[in-house]
Amino acid sequence: DADVTQTPRNRITKTGKRIMLECSQTKGHDRMYWYRQDPGLGLRLIYYSFDVKDINKGEISDGYSVSRQAQAKFSLSLESAIPNQTALYFCATSDPKPGQKNIQYFGAGTRLSVL
Amino acid sequence: DQQVKQNSPSLSVQEGRISILNCDYTNSMFDYFLWYKKYPAEGPTFLISISSIKDKNEDGRFTVFLNKSAKHLSLHIVPSQPGDSAVYFCAMPQGGSEKLVFGKGTKLTVNP
Repeated sequence: DADVTQTPRNRITKTGKRIMLECSQTKGHDRMYWYRQDPGLGLRLIYYSFDVKDINKGEISDGYSVSRQAQAKFSLSLESAIPNQTALYFCATSDPKPGQKNIQYFGAGTRLSVL
Repeated sequence: DQQVKQNSPSLSVQEGRISILNCDYTNSMFDYFLWYKKYPAEGPTFLISISSIKDKNEDGRFTVFLNKSAKHLSLHIVPSQPGDSAVYFCAMPQGGSEKLVFGKGTKLTVNP
């Protein structure tokens, strides 16, 4: 969805490096999410934020941190990257309005390789 | 323990025939169910959903069926088209929140 933009699209880094993945959205949604996808494992939730002052851990938050700089921006950081963090990362947004609240809109993803 | 299971990693069908993708879940508290479609190099996109108060929801060629007693839902695509070739994920909001739990996905290939 072009309304949810992830940068970079691809990144190769080395073990121990700090890296930030960025997500911005023009949908005006308060709720934002970070997922990772590994082959054969579906999508797993890393962190989520329901508004600028709200940050919550997801299923697999260890080794990650996030920052919600504004309603439109939600960044994911790997403080010290390790090879098993090699994965496809997705940002998503949602709107809590009735009839919409369970539908999430995803960015195109960031493919991260940690060597 | 996996709460949402898609037991078929892949499915291949002929163009024009029906595609049936299956999803099982373990938590009887799930009350809303979604299907997402994902093409390579793109993010998942919402396809169709169903509330637990219904047993069927239809949108064009796509129909989702829910069997609450069996904790099973399925997505039917009729007729299947080559452009439907993608990975399909079922997903459910967890614990009344908006956190989605995803299945592992089924890769559908529709052959011309």
